[in-house]
Amino acid sequence: SQKIEQNSEALNIQEGKTATLTCNYTNYSPAYLQWYRQDPGRGPVFLLLIRENEKEKRKERLKVTFDTTLKQSLFHITASQPADSATYLCALDANGGSQGNLIFGKGTKLSVKP
Amino acid sequence: GAVVSQHPSWVICKSGTSVKIECRSLDFQATTMFWYRQFPKQSLMLMATSNEGSKATYEQGVEKDKFLINHASLTLSTLTVTSAHPEDSSFYICSARAPTGINQPQHFGDGTRLSIL
Repeated sequence: SQKIEQNSEALNIQEGKTATLTCNYTNYSPAYLQWYRQDPGRGPVFLLLIRENEKEKRKERLKVTFDTTLKQSLFHITASQPADSATYLCALDANGGSQGNLIFGKGTKLSVKP
Repeated sequence: GAVVSQHPSWVICKSGTSVKIECRSLDFQATTMFWYRQFPKQSLMLMATSNEGSKATYEQGVEKDKFLINHASLTLSTLTVTSAHPEDSSFYICSARAPTGINQPQHFGDGTRLSIL
């Protein structure tokens, strides 16, 4: 079955630096991959979706890449700010895109220090 | 943007009580809603997929008689935890997907923290 690994449980960086988070999957390449932000005690908030035929997607200070050869997605936050501190979740379709069900990684907790 | 409201946000009750959680899509119609459970420092685990007007589809290992799901309208799905026990204590989160395609992002509620004493 498909598995997702977000290698770093926690990432601490200095304000202004670029944060890079990694998401690896183990089985088939998904039709799309999504990134969400989750704050403590809150539900996830959608950030970006990248499809299998897209190499890169950008939204303001966020950038996502998708490498189906490496079975990996990278999530970048440039010019990071303390307000970016949160847990970031990677998610992909569980059944090859046929039903829209998502499976999530455990997340990476990002802390941006002023 | 799409808004999903979940109620209540926090419940504490005695063992054996049944608890109902509501999930509403406020500004769009959701033919499909999802229910997740999240334990501390763990990922969201899909419990079931709720389809308007039909029976929910449960993931392997989730007891459908324990976790009753009703999706009676295009804007409301409910999850009832029947005869809850301490091991059911968790963070329950619902999501809804706009009916524009299965590859669209899901919009999440803010979760319900359930504590069974």
